[in-house]
Amino acid sequence: GAGVSQSPSNKVTEKGKDVELRCDPISGHTALYWYRQSLGQGLEFLIYFQGNSAPDKSGLPSDRFSAERTGGSVSTLTIQRTQQEDSAVYLCASSRTGRAAATGELFFGEGSRLTVL
Amino acid sequence: AQSVAQPEDQVNVAEGNPLTVKCTYSVSGNPYLFWYVQYPNRGLQFLLKYITGDNLVKGSYGFEAEFNKSQTSFHLKKPSALVSDSALYFCAVRDLYMNTGFQKLVFGTGTRLLVSP
Repeated sequence: GAGVSQSPSNKVTEKGKDVELRCDPISGHTALYWYRQSLGQGLEFLIYFQGNSAPDKSGLPSDRFSAERTGGSVSTLTIQRTQQEDSAVYLCASSRTGRAAATGELFFGEGSRLTVL
Repeated sequence: AQSVAQPEDQVNVAEGNPLTVKCTYSVSGNPYLFWYVQYPNRGLQFLLKYITGDNLVKGSYGFEAEFNKSQTSFHLKKPSALVSDSALYFCAVRDLYMNTGFQKLVFGTGTRLLVSP
């Protein structure tokens, strides 16, 4: 598609379960970013991919969170043993390049809303 | 580290009146600054950016922003607000990974704009 696609759009899970969130970036975009949007917390940076590698994992809140990107395209964010504080909207964004020479504009998906009961 | 601050959680304005959404920044080096808008249940959309050049930047939907170096501010403005402008607005600054030359965006906490008829 023309834009960044995320699935599922809505996920309700029980505490302790694992969840996977998927992001399909704009075709040809080499940089991919995951952010978390919690009520009143703004956008929290989680992880960044350049191609298939993740130069910056510093934003992942705990070792229950992991992400991978395969083929330089689709990325999956996995949350293991979910907790109620993981409830948030998880946003994915892509850009043509992650290089500093670029102008920095990111293109966002509509997000995956996660609710942990 | 680069950061932006949005001092107002919410801004209320009557339709037809001018609006201002405030943002201040803290950066080392020259700032790359951005405004994004989020409509209900939608992803973030790029509005405008400042990289260099004129201090008054024009963007989408009639919005503009004024870069003020002495006040380290990048306030979003519109001469005449519309009810349809009601949304969540985020200011952002580019953060560089100096070792690699890659980049990410650091966002503020967001300001909710409510335009009343």
